[in-house]
Amino acid sequence: EAQVTQNPRYLITVTGKKLTVTCSQNMNHEYMSWYRQDPGLGLRQIYYSMNVEVTDKGDVPEGYKVSRKEKRNFPLILESPSPNQTSLYFCASTARGRYGETQYFGPGTRLLVL
Amino acid sequence: GDSVTQMEGPVTLSEEAFLTINCTYTATGYPSLFWYVQYPGEGLQLLLKATKADDKGSNKGFEATYRKETTSFHLEKGSVQVSDSAVYFCALITQGGSEKLVFGKGTKLTVNP
Repeated sequence: EAQVTQNPRYLITVTGKKLTVTCSQNMNHEYMSWYRQDPGLGLRQIYYSMNVEVTDKGDVPEGYKVSRKEKRNFPLILESPSPNQTSLYFCASTARGRYGETQYFGPGTRLLVL
Repeated sequence: GDSVTQMEGPVTLSEEAFLTINCTYTATGYPSLFWYVQYPGEGLQLLLKATKADDKGSNKGFEATYRKETTSFHLEKGSVQVSDSAVYFCALITQGGSEKLVFGKGTKLTVNP
């Protein structure tokens, strides 16, 4: 089954404690990205990756890092989380087809930073 | 920059009512347009899409037509069900290399029996 998986699904942490949210896709897509969803703001892109070892900032990259060492994995790293990073995070993987691109989303990771 | 504006929610309807959620966009180039749905406690699912002017996307009784002249992509359903209760997001991807989705802020729909 084609899917995007994220772990953990729920996480409570404290300010300054480094954490990593994993993302994996089994569709051999080149393009992957991370979004955060906040009430009243919709979804905003944090970082994206166009292929292995190719990453770039999205609209709200401050406080986040990513890496893309393998095509299937695209972890999101918070080196020193702060309460304003409390949010719902989605990883997405993009299929490029004859009729344009379509993004497939993971189930989401709900993060609370105390 | 590119942007998407969709009607403010929440929207509350009775079962079998007609649904319209308005969506307009601003973009350079020729964007592909999408509607995503997020059911309570779940991630986003692609509901329908349209890639060029006058295309109609449809799925599960929902429809939306890509109107270039009015830069709109309104979502419609003739008869909603309780199971359609969710948050609906309009989004675009600009063609020409960038795969970034630009989202509207979402419209929460509640359908009562």
